[in-house]
Amino acid sequence: EAGVAQSPRYKIIEKRQSVAFWCNPISGHATLYWYQQILGQGPKLLIQFQNNGVVDDSQLPKDRFSAERLKGVDSTLKIQPAKLEDSAVYLCASSLDPAPGQGDTQYFGPGTRLTVL
Amino acid sequence: AQSVTQLDSQVPVFEEAPVELRCNYSSSVSVYLFWYVQYPNQGLQLLLKYLSGSTLVKGINGFEAEFNKSQTSFHLRKPSVHISDTAEYFCAVRSNAGKSTFGDGTTLTVKP
Repeated sequence: EAGVAQSPRYKIIEKRQSVAFWCNPISGHATLYWYQQILGQGPKLLIQFQNNGVVDDSQLPKDRFSAERLKGVDSTLKIQPAKLEDSAVYLCASSLDPAPGQGDTQYFGPGTRLTVL
Repeated sequence: AQSVTQLDSQVPVFEEAPVELRCNYSSSVSVYLFWYVQYPNQGLQLLLKYLSGSTLVKGINGFEAEFNKSQTSFHLRKPSVHISDTAEYFCAVRSNAGKSTFGDGTTLTVKP
């Protein structure tokens, strides 16, 4: 079974530029998550999708971050414009449970490491 | 609101020694508890999870954890570690609504 795919793996941009990350979840997984992991910290949930609807985006900085999940499968996360403090690893995860699953296992991708100069 | 505190940011230990990584949590509602491992330049991998039932949970790679409701703790243990266990370990809680909160991680370094 293929895992969660993310691209690119690394990205370096200057502040005020735009950037986009892509995630392909495990086939059949209804729930998709985007996390931000700043160096030395645990992952922080940015947004959670159930199929192509948003379940939780309470911690997404909506003035600069946006995300969409096309047809309930792939997802993109965009930052526009980027700030220095956005430097982090952006992790995508997916889980099978079609409802906001409480005990459902999340499967994580390898992440995209973003450096903002 | 819910939060997770991993009490040790770094734990150095010699190979074949036992190890305990400590995790305390707080929540106003019932939660589910998880431990993940992250190897360098990789995503997180589930080690084990507690949903209900027996408070002692066994996971992969010989790890186990014990849920203690009165102390709101979920400490991770392994009786004998290997060099390959060197990694970052994250404790996480998830509410009934499906929201996950992670701790800041514990770096386990196993020395020969």
